[in-house]
Amino acid sequence: EPEVTQTPSHQVTQMGQEVILRCVPISNHLYFYWYRQILGQKVEFLVSFYNNEISEKSEIFDDQFSVERPDGSNFTLKIRSTKLEDSAMYFCASSEAVPGSPLHFGNGTRLTVT
Amino acid sequence: AQTVTQSQPEMSVQEAETVTLSCTYDTSESDYYLFWYKQPPSRQMILVIRQEAYKQQNATENRFSVNFQKAAKSFSLKISDSQLGDAAMYFCALGTSGTYKYIFGTGTRLKVLA
Repeated sequence: EPEVTQTPSHQVTQMGQEVILRCVPISNHLYFYWYRQILGQKVEFLVSFYNNEISEKSEIFDDQFSVERPDGSNFTLKIRSTKLEDSAMYFCASSEAVPGSPLHFGNGTRLTVT
Repeated sequence: AQTVTQSQPEMSVQEAETVTLSCTYDTSESDYYLFWYKQPPSRQMILVIRQEAYKQQNATENRFSVNFQKAAKSFSLKISDSQLGDAAMYFCALGTSGTYKYIFGTGTRLKVLA
């Protein structure tokens, strides 16, 4: 069964550094998402992406965040200047359509900012 | 605005017994979909079951079934014949037309007792 893959599984960075989290969505999916989860708690929406542009973003997704689909397969989340509070599990997801298709999640990237 | 509420932070069930996890939601949209996701300690979010709002029939997937009460905006998950592998966090999620995001509840941690 096709799956969403995320790399790296764990990223440690120093405060103020830039990080790029990478994702390969399921190939025939059209909608891509980033969610984050702090300490195994609430799953928070960050951004959705369709047709090479942001469809919707949350208040969390401020100017330090950006997303990109640099080629036909990868989908990236960049955090320009990381803060301690950015430490979380970041999940990439994809879906065939909205709102009826379920999200398919990757295994997540655990980001630790020190 | 759409909201999803899970009022049970933690539930316990004896192996082979049945347990019901509660979820309520709010949306003004008539076209929407509801989902239950399971997050085991491995952290990956796994789709358990999906319900279309326009369908009156409750969705079932093997030991998992839902009780969808549209008027009450309630969407509970019933797990029959509980197994040790069912121990996980369970998240209720809502996707509505007109938005490009899925909203998640705060989760219910299910413990299965041998």
